[in-house]
Amino acid sequence: EDQVTQSPEALRLQEGESSSLNCSYTVSGLRGLFWYRQDPGKGPEFLFTLYSAGEEKEKERLKATLTKKESFLHITAPKPEDSATYLCAVQVDAGGYQKVTFGTGTKLQVIP
Amino acid sequence: DSGVTQTPKHLITATGQRVTLRCSPRSGDLSVYWYQQSLDQGLQFLIQYYNGEERAKGNILERFSAQQFPDLHSELNLSSLELGDSALYFCASSVGSLPNEQFFGPGTRLTVL
Repeated sequence: EDQVTQSPEALRLQEGESSSLNCSYTVSGLRGLFWYRQDPGKGPEFLFTLYSAGEEKEKERLKATLTKKESFLHITAPKPEDSATYLCAVQVDAGGYQKVTFGTGTKLQVIP
Repeated sequence: DSGVTQTPKHLITATGQRVTLRCSPRSGDLSVYWYQQSLDQGLQFLIQYYNGEERAKGNILERFSAQQFPDLHSELNLSSLELGDSALYFCASSVGSLPNEQFFGPGTRLTVL
């Protein structure tokens, strides 16, 4: 069974304190890995897609990387507005179609 | 604003009842996905429709059903509701048939009393 595990479950950072969120996965037939951001009571917002090991994507203070077993979301000099839950999801082959499995997320709080 | 709309925003009902949730995808998107999000289980994929046809099925209960209409809007029907069905239900859409970049709606919060 496909598994996606995110760590830590929660992370509290001071403004400007850089850190990384981890997403490890055990799947067969990985087609892509996604990062989403979700604010309380709202729908997830797409951030990045990564397709192959070694790939990196950047957007403002966020940088996502991918290896064969895990992905990292690096947050550089975070600001309070970066506070949110960050979700990782994997896209896999599932017998004639592709499906997406989400992790349970890392809740990030950035304190001014 | 993702361009995906969902109605209603909130729904309160009793056990045993039936409800219908509605979703309109972004203009030009052919796929619609339904997800259930509860506190203890995270975001669970239920079902995907692509251009009117069922494309992929996830952990959708037999009491739940969905369809996508010719104008591409979709409805999720939940019947014989139980307390455990209380959750946020999200709809998402994407351009093609593959679950790549998905745009999520604001969700419908269902409370079953």
